[in-house]
Amino acid sequence: TQLLEQSPQFLSIQEGENLTVYCNSSSVFSSLQWYRQEPGEGPVLLVTVVTGGEVKKLKRLTFQFGDARKDSSLHITAAQPGDTGLYLCAGGRGANNLFFGTGTRLTVIP
Amino acid sequence: NAGVTQTPKFQVLKTGQSMTLQCAQDMNHEYMSWYRQDPGMGLRLIHYSVGAGITDQGEVPNGYNVSRSTTEDFPLRLLSAAPSQTSVYFCASSYSKPMNTEAFFGQGTRLTVV
Repeated sequence: TQLLEQSPQFLSIQEGENLTVYCNSSSVFSSLQWYRQEPGEGPVLLVTVVTGGEVKKLKRLTFQFGDARKDSSLHITAAQPGDTGLYLCAGGRGANNLFFGTGTRLTVIP
Repeated sequence: NAGVTQTPKFQVLKTGQSMTLQCAQDMNHEYMSWYRQDPGMGLRLIHYSVGAGITDQGEVPNGYNVSRSTTEDFPLRLLSAAPSQTSVYFCASSYSKPMNTEAFFGQGTRLTVV
């Protein structure tokens, strides 16, 4: 059983469209991170959110941590081909454990 | 600055063979972790270390051993490989607890057990 479920699992959109990826759990997390992974590479951190309700923006990407710290969303405005990749959320629980979500594979078509 | 280096990048093993996946970091990070990545399951924590001489189990530790004799190195040993261990393995390091700071990942080792 996965602690963090992401939806959708796959997403294919046209350049310029907007999209939202969701990361949901029934558990509370001390923090929530979003990573992007490209083929043949390890994940790279995009953002960390630690406070319930927190919103962070990174250029065209907007990240939100749920009020109850159980869920998060990633919104991309005007998607570009360079946004293509696997997006992973990860939640912190316990002393040192980081639990990863199931992943959303995004393809942006030029 | 190399960051986190994993070797080998690809490996094929026969069932029952043993091998060691190497991981080295040059950032003087205390925290190091091993994950495996399987389709549709994200990354799952195998073992982690909070400093030289200290290791602990993650979510899926069975069939794997680790040691941390130096700050820089954190090898992962498969004692008797099984087809269920076919996966992509990632090593990561971070300055402090990975949920509070950025974790840096290696490029991964793609392991196939036949």
